[in-house]
Amino acid sequence: DIQLTQSPSSVSASVGDRVTITCRASQGISSWLAWYQQKPGKAPKLLIYAASSLQSGGPSRFSGSGSGTDFTLTISSLQPEDFATYYCQQANSFPLTFGGGTKVEIK
Amino acid sequence: VQLLESGGGLVQPGGSLRLSCGASGFTFSSYAMSWVRQAPGKGLEWVSTISDSGGSTFYADSVKGRFFISRDSSKNTLFLQMNSVRAEDTAVYYCAKDRVDTPIHWFDPWGQGTLVIVSS
Repeated sequence: DIQLTQSPSSVSASVGDRVTITCRASQGISSWLAWYQQKPGKAPKLLIYAASSLQSGGPSRFSGSGSGTDFTLTISSLQPEDFATYYCQQANSFPLTFGGGTKVEIK
Repeated sequence: VQLLESGGGLVQPGGSLRLSCGASGFTFSSYAMSWVRQAPGKGLEWVSTISDSGGSTFYADSVKGRFFISRDSSKNTLFLQMNSVRAEDTAVYYCAKDRVDTPIHWFDPWGQGTLVIVSS
């Protein structure tokens, strides 16, 4: 099984800050990686797919990069509505797996 | 596009439950569908995926042999039959549609979730 390790597990940041979250796969997954945003009590929402493609309707301040085993999600200028938990997910092979999540909190 | 789960509730350990997910707003028979769960206060865990035709199914090891995914394209409905449930199956269960009609499993959108509590 492919393990996904996210870091940090939580980050405190202020509005306007640049935030970077990393996701490391236990083996190469090419660009078969997605990022989701989840707010409390709500279902996750797809933000980024294929490592770097912004989902339709997603704010341009979100970007993804990486391939192989190392990936990043960057929020260029944190907005109040971005405080949430973010998960990476690999679609390279079954079993599909998620990272443990990164909670972005208000500083 | 809308996905609406139902069927959750309280079930005793060892019991059974069937979850449903009604789909609308897209050609249901063209998309693979999945179940993903989230235990209280925990992260996301993929449970199962079924191909667009229903001919292929995939399961997490944690549910293999106990849970069964199926679909009824005439009713635009996805199911998850949960048997021999355990306390560790307690979670919100989400159904999710593949983003596009190819077998690449990015999930978009997700339903609102249905809560399953396994307890005596």
